Amino acid sequence: AQTVTQSQPEMSVQEAETVTLSCTYDTSESDYYLFWYKQPPSRQMILVIRQEAYKQQNATENRFSVNFQKAAKSFSLKISDSQLGDAAMYFCAYKTTSGTYKYIFGTGTRLKVLA
Amino acid sequence: NAGVTQTPKFQVLKTGQSMTLQCAQDMNHEYMSWYRQDPGMGLRLIHYSVGAGITDQGEVPNGYNVSRSTTEDFPLRLLSAAPSQTSVYFCASSYSTGPETQYFGPGTRLLVL
Repeated sequence: AQTVTQSQPEMSVQEAETVTLSCTYDTSESDYYLFWYKQPPSRQMILVIRQEAYKQQNATENRFSVNFQKAAKSFSLKISDSQLGDAAMYFCAYKTTSGTYKYIFGTGTRLKVLA
Repeated sequence: NAGVTQTPKFQVLKTGQSMTLQCAQDMNHEYMSWYRQDPGMGLRLIHYSVGAGITDQGEVPNGYNVSRSTTEDFPLRLLSAAPSQTSVYFCASSYSTGPETQYFGPGTRLLVL
């Protein structure tokens, strides 16, 4: 069975600085999807970025980028120029491509942004 | 376009009571799912549906029933609520089983006494 591990329960970053959130996963599949979701205090889940495992190029969305290391089964999220609005819980998620509709989420990392 | 809507936003139940959490989407998405979120546990999949009339179990299905009679609606039923079902419940939908965005509802906070 697939698992997703986020080993940092909480992180802090100074406004305008860069922070990296870690995520590792375990799977025997060769093709899958990986996601980072943001959950602000409003509780709304918001997709930040996604990566398809067959793509070697790391995904980028404005200030958000990932470091996808397939062999190491690592999928970290880098937030550049951190803003106060980035403060939230961040969840890493894995999705199989086998045709079932099952997402597996990590336990989350709470990011605090210091002014 | 309302996206994914959930009702109620908050509910208090007594042990043994039953209730239905409503979820609806207006994006014509085939795929819908229910998650529960507990402190320190992330989101765990309860049940999911790949289309009207088709449902399947997720990671934590016990104590919950679902049905999918229409593409738009995917209600979650608690037949006999237990304190262990105190949680925040999220409904989500997406267009396909691919990497497309999964859209989440605003969540229902449930307290079982």
